Amino acid sequence: EAGVAQSPRYKIIEKRQSVAFWCNPISGHATLYWYQQILGQGPKLLIQFQNNGVVDDSQLPKDRFSAERLKGVDSTLKIQPAKLEDSAVYLCASSLGLQGRTGELFFGEGSRLTVL
Amino acid sequence: AQRVTQPEKLLSVFKGAPVELKCNYSYSGSPELFWYVQYSRQRLQLLLRHISRESIKGFTADLNKGETSFHLKKPFAQEEDSAMYYCALGVQGAQKLVFGQGTRLTINP
Repeated sequence: EAGVAQSPRYKIIEKRQSVAFWCNPISGHATLYWYQQILGQGPKLLIQFQNNGVVDDSQLPKDRFSAERLKGVDSTLKIQPAKLEDSAVYLCASSLGLQGRTGELFFGEGSRLTVL
Repeated sequence: AQRVTQPEKLLSVFKGAPVELKCNYSYSGSPELFWYVQYSRQRLQLLLRHISRESIKGFTADLNKGETSFHLKKPFAQEEDSAMYYCALGVQGAQKLVFGQGTRLTINP
């Protein structure tokens, strides 16, 4: 079974530039997550999709971050304009999303962003 | 609000010694607790969850609701246990996880 795919693996940009990350979840997984992991910290949830609808985006800085999940499969996370503090690893994860208990989250390898 | 605290950022023990990684949580609902692990150059993956009550790679963790803790334990550490360990809290009905800051475990030969 293929895992969660993310690209690009690494990206270096200057502040005020824009960047986009792409995620392809495990086939059949209804729930997709974007987490931000700043160096030395644990992953922080930015946005959660159930199929193509947003379930939770309470911690997404909406003035600069946007995300979409077209057709309930792939997702893109965009940052525009980037700030220095956006330097982090952006992790995509997916789960079956069955009702009831929290299921296992399967993570991608992450996209490491450096903002100069 | 939900919160997970891992008080140790770094933990170093010798091979064969017991290991305990601490995790405390703050949550008003019915907690679901997990341990995720990230080995060097690998992706973050599930190690164990409290509802399973099973031992994975020799690790166990017991949910103590009175102390709001979910410490990860292993009686005899092995070098391959060196990794980054994250405790995570499942938010009831929300299908999402809140992570602690992680503990880097190093097993010395």
